[in-house]
Amino acid sequence: EDKVVQSPLSLVVHEGDTVTLNCSYEVTNFRSLLWYKQEKKAPTFLFMLTSSGIEKKSGRLSSILDKKELFSILNITATQTGDSAVYLCAVGAPYSGGGADGLTFGKGTHLIIQP
Amino acid sequence: NAGVTQTPKFRILKIGQSMTLQCAQDMNHNYMYWYRQDPGMGLKLIYYSVGAGITDKGEVPNGYNVSRSTTEDFPLRLELAAPSQTSVYFCASRLSGSRVGELFFGEGSRLTVL
Repeated sequence: EDKVVQSPLSLVVHEGDTVTLNCSYEVTNFRSLLWYKQEKKAPTFLFMLTSSGIEKKSGRLSSILDKKELFSILNITATQTGDSAVYLCAVGAPYSGGGADGLTFGKGTHLIIQP
Repeated sequence: NAGVTQTPKFRILKIGQSMTLQCAQDMNHNYMYWYRQDPGMGLKLIYYSVGAGITDKGEVPNGYNVSRSTTEDFPLRLELAAPSQTSVYFCASRLSGSRVGELFFGEGSRLTVL
């Protein structure tokens, strides 16, 4: 069975801190790893990673994938209260029973940024 | 831009009742999905559709049914509601040529079965 494990499950930091969120996976037929941000309602897509070692960046957020060690990290620098959310990691693997995208989601990391 | 619209946002059902969660998207996306999210858990795929008239089971389809008569609409039917179906339900969509997982989600429907 495909598995995606995120750590930590929750994290409280102060504004301005840098945080690193972890996602490890065990899937067959790996195709991609995705990060989403879920505030109070719908998840929104952040990044998709398919190749090891290539960093994806969007403003203060960045992510990198290690396909040899089967993990990814999501970094957020100079955190702001608006970064408070649940961050979901998902792995796409075709024909894993997850539908057209074959996505398996982790439980998420609940990040709280205190002023 | 409406995007993906789900109704209702909240609903309380009694055990054994039935209901339909509505999902509509106005982006002409051919792929549509229903996920459920239990507290502290990841999203689980219930059903998906790759186009009008085509649906398939996901990871947790038991107790649910779907139909896809148009590109825009993908309703999820719960028959004989059970407490185990208490969850937040998300509908999502994407265009077939877009990146895998680059989903557009609705705002969710919180269902409680008592």
